[in-house]
Amino acid sequence: DSGVTQTPKHLITATGQRVTLRCSPRSGDLSVYWYQQSLDQGLQFLIHYYNGEERAKGNILERFSAQQFPDLHSELNLSSLELGDSALYFCASSSPGGVIITGELFFGEGSRLTVL
Amino acid sequence: ELKVEQNPLFLSMQEGKNYTIYCNYSTTSDRLYWYRQDPGKSLESLFVLLSNGAVKQEGRLMASLDTKARLSTLHITAAVHDLSATYFCAVARSDMRFGAGTRLTVKP
Repeated sequence: DSGVTQTPKHLITATGQRVTLRCSPRSGDLSVYWYQQSLDQGLQFLIHYYNGEERAKGNILERFSAQQFPDLHSELNLSSLELGDSALYFCASSSPGGVIITGELFFGEGSRLTVL
Repeated sequence: ELKVEQNPLFLSMQEGKNYTIYCNYSTTSDRLYWYRQDPGKSLESLFVLLSNGAVKQEGRLMASLDTKARLSTLHITAAVHDLSATYFCAVARSDMRFGAGTRLTVKP
């Protein structure tokens, strides 16, 4: 158990809908990262938050947004869902080393999203 | 933009054999990570390499880092079936970028 909690574990929804994925980082970790893993795209970095502020953005679509709350949990909002958004979405946290990563990321179990 | 390339992407090995997975990256970084992922599971950290020339070993796996060549290797010694998984290297700056992964299958 990495200590990173993601909910829901599985989610099935229809095209055009909106979903919210939630992540609680390890106790004491200030950084939260979101990744999308699909069969044809590999592990794609979406966004990084550090202590409530956005620090880096990757290949995140405009239909997707994220935030990190004062209690450090984070949510990834996916809207106007398309079939191609079906993937495993991982959240990861890292030890409080500031913006620059030194230690490894600790990954949650992921949220598997299926868009029908 | 930081790019991380792994090869091979697929590797089928016989038990008892040795092999090396390579990870090249495009920009300067002295922090390189290796992760393992079992099918349908999360990613598990294997090694953290934080300086040029760093070498770490755990069981049948050994990882090394050459920051000047922008190259890391993951060497597998005397493979066993339990090592079957996908192995990712990742390079960190303000975020962590992953290679495409090497899907390793160890056959009896």
